Amino acid sequence: GQQLNQSPQSMFIQEGEDVSMNCTSSSIFNTWLWYKQDPGEGPVLLIALYKAGELTSNGRLTAQFGITRKDSFLNISASIPSDVGIYFCAGQANSGGSNYKLTFGKGTLLTVNP
Amino acid sequence: NAGVTQTPKFRILKIGQSMTLQCTQDMNHNYMYWYRQDPGMGLKLIYYSVGAGITDKGEVPNGYNVSRSTTEDFPLRLELAAPSQTSVYFCASSYHRDRNQPQHFGDGTRLSIL
Repeated sequence: GQQLNQSPQSMFIQEGEDVSMNCTSSSIFNTWLWYKQDPGEGPVLLIALYKAGELTSNGRLTAQFGITRKDSFLNISASIPSDVGIYFCAGQANSGGSNYKLTFGKGTLLTVNP
Repeated sequence: NAGVTQTPKFRILKIGQSMTLQCTQDMNHNYMYWYRQDPGMGLKLIYYSVGAGITDKGEVPNGYNVSRSTTEDFPLRLELAAPSQTSVYFCASSYHRDRNQPQHFGDGTRLSIL
């Protein structure tokens, strides 16, 4: 099956620093999604990317859909304590038809020291 | 809108017991999904449904059953609970027409089998 490698597994940073995490795939995806999961809650969608090369921002978050369609990155600028959580990337093989299944990375645990 | 609602939030079962995890969504989404999340891992798809009356197996379906009698509800059934089914279970839903829309998740059911 499709594999997603997400890195780093964990990060410990100081408040105000910028953060970068990425996902790479062994095969092509047509959609990349980035989710955040807070303790005791379900994943919440941060950014959705539908086109190779697309660069999308959501406040202090910026994500890009790699040109090769096999990778994506998420940047968080000027981190704050509430950025703490687990960040997941997810890829979707087809943008239409019946193949809507998501493949998830294993997550990046972010800790922000105030 | 409540979004995706899962009940119960927590449950402890004995080996061999059965139970149903409930999931309902009020967004009129046609697609619904069940995932399990184990420590340090991403989400694995158990079962999914593309509409009322239609269900299909995901990546890890063994030991589970589902039904989809209405658009809103997608219960997950464990018939003979086993310790390997100790996990956090997430239900998700999405709307599909001409382009896949991102999945929205519930807050999860934490299940322990002892």
